[in-house]
Amino acid sequence: DTEVTQTPKHLVMGMTNKKSLKCEQHMGHRAMYWYKQKAKKPPELMFVYSYEKLSINESVPSRFSPECPNSSLLNLHLHALQPEDSALYLCASSQEWGLPGQPQHFGDGTRLSIL
Amino acid sequence: AQTVTQSQPEMSVQEAETVTLSCTYDTSESDYYLFWYKQPPSRQMILVIRQEAYKQQNATENRFSVNFQKAAKSFSLKISDSQLGDAAMYFCAYRPSGGSNYKLTFGKGTLLTVNP
Repeated sequence: DTEVTQTPKHLVMGMTNKKSLKCEQHMGHRAMYWYKQKAKKPPELMFVYSYEKLSINESVPSRFSPECPNSSLLNLHLHALQPEDSALYLCASSQEWGLPGQPQHFGDGTRLSIL
Repeated sequence: AQTVTQSQPEMSVQEAETVTLSCTYDTSESDYYLFWYKQPPSRQMILVIRQEAYKQQNATENRFSVNFQKAAKSFSLKISDSQLGDAAMYFCAYRPSGGSNYKLTFGKGTLLTVNP
């Protein structure tokens, strides 16, 4: 069973659309992550939230806007995306950002296609 | 900067046989964590095994074991009695235990095929 739930599973949007990806976990984890993954490539870190505050932004374009409304929920707001943004977007969580030995738990991902 | 290298883009194994996936890494840190993650096709990425660098004993999880050679900066994964469900992309990953950036650094992955 997936402990990190991502919705929607698939999303097709035009370059002028605004959409949001949602991620939810109920494991009491205080660190949450967004990754971008291209086919047959490793995940690339985009953002890290620790205790609902943005800790790391890996120089992600502003057309991606993360939000952490509470400790269980993580959103990724999308606007004016480019075709090269088509990818699998993974959400993950871990006990705490400052506990590097604790593994990250990944969701199934949202497969995003930009027309 | 830390780097993780998986030199085998693809591997195949017969069902019930043993296969070893290679991983090397480069770091100047003395304390860190190493992970193997498994990502089956269109399914979520899950942790297979974890190794703490200061522990000399190799980690084992059922049919999965590692050969951790700290001096050689090598962290290979051995899968025994391979099963069809082991078919997946396997990622080796490194995470420092010191400093403030605990970013997970992944290798490029090894695609494992299990033949019946």
